[in-house]
Amino acid sequence: ETGVTQTPRHLVMGMTNKKSLKCEQHLGHNAMYWYKQSAKKPLELMFVYSLEERVENNSVPSRFSPECPNSSHLFLHLHTLQPEDSALYLCASSQDGGYLTTEAFFGQGTRLTVV
Amino acid sequence: KNQVEQSPQSLIILEGKNCTLQCNYTVSPFSNLRWYKQDTGRGPVSLTIMTFSENTKSNGRYTATLDADTKQSSLHITASQLSDSASYICVVRTGTASKLTFGTGTRLQVTL
Repeated sequence: ETGVTQTPRHLVMGMTNKKSLKCEQHLGHNAMYWYKQSAKKPLELMFVYSLEERVENNSVPSRFSPECPNSSHLFLHLHTLQPEDSALYLCASSQDGGYLTTEAFFGQGTRLTVV
Repeated sequence: KNQVEQSPQSLIILEGKNCTLQCNYTVSPFSNLRWYKQDTGRGPVSLTIMTFSENTKSNGRYTATLDADTKQSSLHITASQLSDSASYICVVRTGTASKLTFGTGTRLQVTL
């Protein structure tokens, strides 16, 4: 248990559905991240939130919409996804301070399948 | 362009044997390098962190090395166990902001 909890662990959704992934951290960290991990590809950074403000958006399609209501919670809202969006979505958190960033702790991920 | 390359892509070894995984990077400026272990369907968990001034660091049966001149790192696993079966990911952090560059990982399978 890393202190970062993701729900659900598995999700199957149709291309017309709307769903949300949830991430919660109890580590007191001030930065949270969404990563996408596709088969045989490196982890891809999607979004970065620092102090509840989005500080990075790595050209992610608008069908992925993040939300960070407070420093402990992070959501990824999904709508009209494509089959190629099927992947493991990982949430991470870290404590950032200027140029000093501690280790990123990862959640167990949500395995998403788009049918 | 910042890149992290790992080799081999996959590896099968017998239980009890040793193995070494490689990581070459072109990330600049360099801040630190971490080795993560990722069990199937789970998030990565940090094994070791190497900073610029460190050459070797051990964590139980895991020993990481870093050569900052050649921009290479290795992870040596001693007396492998079945539970070592996982993907091992090399992650390099730049010296500015919070940029992480991930390698594609090495898939290790330990068999009887």
